[in-house]
Amino acid sequence: AQTVTQSQPEMSVQEAETVTLSCTYDTSESNYYLFWYKQPPSRQMILVIRQEAYKQQNATENRFSVNFQKAAKSFSLKISDSQLGDTAMYFCAFMAGGGADGLTFGKGTHLIIQP
Amino acid sequence: KAGVTQTPRYLIKTRGQQVTLSCSPISGHRSVSWYQQTPGQGLQFLFEYFSETQRNKGNFPGRFSGRQFSNSRSEMNVSTLELGDSALYLCASSFGLAGGPDTQYFGPGTRLTVL
Repeated sequence: AQTVTQSQPEMSVQEAETVTLSCTYDTSESNYYLFWYKQPPSRQMILVIRQEAYKQQNATENRFSVNFQKAAKSFSLKISDSQLGDTAMYFCAFMAGGGADGLTFGKGTHLIIQP
Repeated sequence: KAGVTQTPRYLIKTRGQQVTLSCSPISGHRSVSWYQQTPGQGLQFLFEYFSETQRNKGNFPGRFSGRQFSNSRSEMNVSTLELGDSALYLCASSFGLAGGPDTQYFGPGTRLTVL
């Protein structure tokens, strides 16, 4: 079984700043995928970014990018030029290649963007 | 393209009753997964249905069951409700690619309260 750990329960930054959310995982799988999901107060879970473990290049989606360190089993999310709308819970998630256990989520980081 | 829809959005039941939740996936998606979100346990995988068959299952008691119809719509049933079943139930749909980057897209959830 795999585990996902997010060590920062809550973070607060000023608007326009850059913030990095941490995530580590543990698995014996060789083929897997990593995700960051955002859950705003509406509770709708929104996909932020996805990383395939076999790809060395870090994924990027506009202001969101990841730092994927496979050997260290680390998968951090960087948000540049943070905006008030980025305020939400952020969940790091793991899925094995076969999808047998569905998505395994971390406990989440509550990110607050201050005006 | 319409997103994942879940009905009802809110539900209040009493202990011992049963409940059925519904999920309509994104058009073209054949896989539907269900998750339970609680403050204490976080997000946990319940099960996944693909082509009307349960393909994967999490670690939940048999009171939790589901099914999928030929149009890929899915229902989840919880029998003999307990207070601890109070949670946000999230449904996610995907293409169901085996071994591939099968990204899941979530619905808005059903908030179940058991009194």
